[in-house]
Amino acid sequence: GAVVSQHPSWVICKSGTSVKIECRSLDFQATTMFWYRQFPKQSLMLMATSNEGSKATYEQGVEKDKFLINHASLTLSTLTVTSAHPEDSSFYICSASNGDTSSYEQYFGPGTRLTVT
Amino acid sequence: AQKVTQAQTEISVVEKEDVTLDCVYETRDTTYYLFWYKQPPSGELVFLIRRNSFDEQNEISGRYSWNFQKSTSSFNFTITASQVVDSAVYFCALTRNRDDKIIFGKGTRLHILP
Repeated sequence: GAVVSQHPSWVICKSGTSVKIECRSLDFQATTMFWYRQFPKQSLMLMATSNEGSKATYEQGVEKDKFLINHASLTLSTLTVTSAHPEDSSFYICSASNGDTSSYEQYFGPGTRLTVT
Repeated sequence: AQKVTQAQTEISVVEKEDVTLDCVYETRDTTYYLFWYKQPPSGELVFLIRRNSFDEQNEISGRYSWNFQKSTSSFNFTITASQVVDSAVYFCALTRNRDDKIIFGKGTRLHILP
């Protein structure tokens, strides 16, 4: 089956620094990638949708200048949390849509746990 | 607007009991997809099932079964003869298509007690 990887799987950073999280589709081309955020004991909430080569579309309430998303290729999307603060500590999960098939396919990465101290 | 409601926040049952997780959805689309995911403590989402709106057949996979009822906008999930390894958070979810976002319910935390 299709595989989506995320790197790193966990990261601890100091308040005020920036952190980059990578999401890769390993064996398929992802025309669309999604970034979700999950706070402890809560559900997944979509942050933004990115299509290869175009600007990401952010959900209402998500600061685009703080959460920079780049989808430079069909297999890679990155999320950069700029000037991270403790309230940004969360579990970030990406998903990728398989553009090669006609049926519905969207695959989730294993997630990245971010802790800002 | 799309919405998924999982009214059961937390359920505890004793091992080997059957348990049903409820899911009610709202959508104005005629074509949509419904999902169930399992999230163990590790955090990784485990895909369990996808159903499209035109396929109301119930599905059974081992100890897992799903009941899709369009008339009541429900997509319930039953675990038969539960096991401790079934302990996890289970999410019901909804989307229009593969290029659209997935709307998740709030999840049901399932505890299977030995």
